[in-house]
Amino acid sequence: QVQLQESGPGLVNPTETLSLTCAVSGYSILSGYYWGWFRQPPGKGLEWIGSIFHTGTTYYNPSLNSRVIISVDTSKNQISLRLNFVTAADTAVYFCARPDSGYVAYWGQGTLVTVS
Amino acid sequence: DIVMTQSPDSLAVSLGERATINCKSSQSVLKSSNNKHYLAWYQQKPGQPPKLLIYWASTRESGVPDRFSGSGSGTDFTLTISSLQAEDVAVYYCQQYYSSPSYIFGQGTKLEIK
Repeated sequence: QVQLQESGPGLVNPTETLSLTCAVSGYSILSGYYWGWFRQPPGKGLEWIGSIFHTGTTYYNPSLNSRVIISVDTSKNQISLRLNFVTAADTAVYFCARPDSGYVAYWGQGTLVTVS
Repeated sequence: DIVMTQSPDSLAVSLGERATINCKSSQSVLKSSNNKHYLAWYQQKPGQPPKLLIYWASTRESGVPDRFSGSGSGTDFTLTISSLQAEDVAVYYCQQYYSSPSYIFGQGTKLEIK
């Protein structure tokens, strides 16, 4: 069974870089599928941040495109998120996920990142 | 960009009664190449990630109770819970994946017990 686990600092200073890692188990990233990052500000809805294929091809939400980098490390079977120049508006629970054909059956538990 | 609009924003239904949540997309999410609607529904409880309920607008995910059903076509879709149970209290989201690998969610509908 596919399992995803996010990790990273829970507190980031304004203007600095948010960095998160998602460890994937139960499935090899090399086998295919897109892998993505989503976020949810406290009490608000879900927002797609970006997606990456195992080849390294990336797609980003245009609203975040200039600040976000998603990468894949197939040797560690993990994906990473970097979001630059963060502000309080970037405070959210960040989820990694596997969008199968577009709908998302597999989600990590999420990790809260506070910008303050 | 496709915009997804859910209605209502919140809903209170008595136990055992039917709950209906609507989702409207700003453009069709039907792909003529495979005649499928690229629309999914999720349930999210506090402190948990979203749980996939329905995909392709009407296909129930494995393990999801059959009281949950999805319907609709073109730009208008509905999630129906035929007989509300206490454990169904949650926020429900629709999502279009027509523009995959870019995804857009509705704003969410909070479902409570009356």
